[in-house]
Amino acid sequence: DAGVIQSPRHEVTEMGQEVTLRCKPISGHDYLFWYRQTMMRGLELLIYFNNNVPIDDSGMPEDRFSAKMPNASFSTLKIQPSEPRDSAVYFCASSLATGGFHEQFFGPGTRLTVL
Amino acid sequence: AQSVTQLDSHVSVSEGTPVLLRCNYSSSYSPSLFWYVQHPNKGLQLLLKYTSAATLVKGINGFEAEFKKSETSFHLTKPSAHMSDAAEYFCVVSDKRRFGAGTRLTVKP
Repeated sequence: DAGVIQSPRHEVTEMGQEVTLRCKPISGHDYLFWYRQTMMRGLELLIYFNNNVPIDDSGMPEDRFSAKMPNASFSTLKIQPSEPRDSAVYFCASSLATGGFHEQFFGPGTRLTVL
Repeated sequence: AQSVTQLDSHVSVSEGTPVLLRCNYSSSYSPSLFWYVQHPNKGLQLLLKYTSAATLVKGINGFEAEFKKSETSFHLTKPSAHMSDAAEYFCVVSDKRRFGAGTRLTVKP
């Protein structure tokens, strides 16, 4: 398996523009997670899905952020409009389960820079 | 609720000396615990996990961790540091939503 795939790897955009980050989880994994990593706040969970259904989106910073999982092999995280403070590395991860001993597999991340 | 606390934000060791990265957890039941490593500009990779089968867990790259229920700790150790161990290390509790703040390991030549 190719692992978790994220695209793009780098994104530079201007304030006010819409940004869409994409993730393909490992085939067969039931859970998908979106994280944001910054120097100031560390690794923060934004939202996670179970069987394509959002379970907990309490980490989504504000209404400018939205996430979807239209099918088991694809998810998007959208920021509209983007702001400079959204600059961060965004990770997608997938796992077989959220509890117990199942590990998460992380993608390489998308480095977002909002000018 | 479950949570983890990584006691050191930064640890610096010399190459060839032991490594100790500390993690304490809080859980109302017996947890599963994980250590992940993140090398610069990379994603996170699992080092090892505790799932109650054995209290001493061996992971990749010579790392190991010991689960101590009485101390609610799951510290990560390695007998001899290598330059390639320089990275950020994260302790995570069962539900995998709660990551520790991370410990940055620096290895000096």
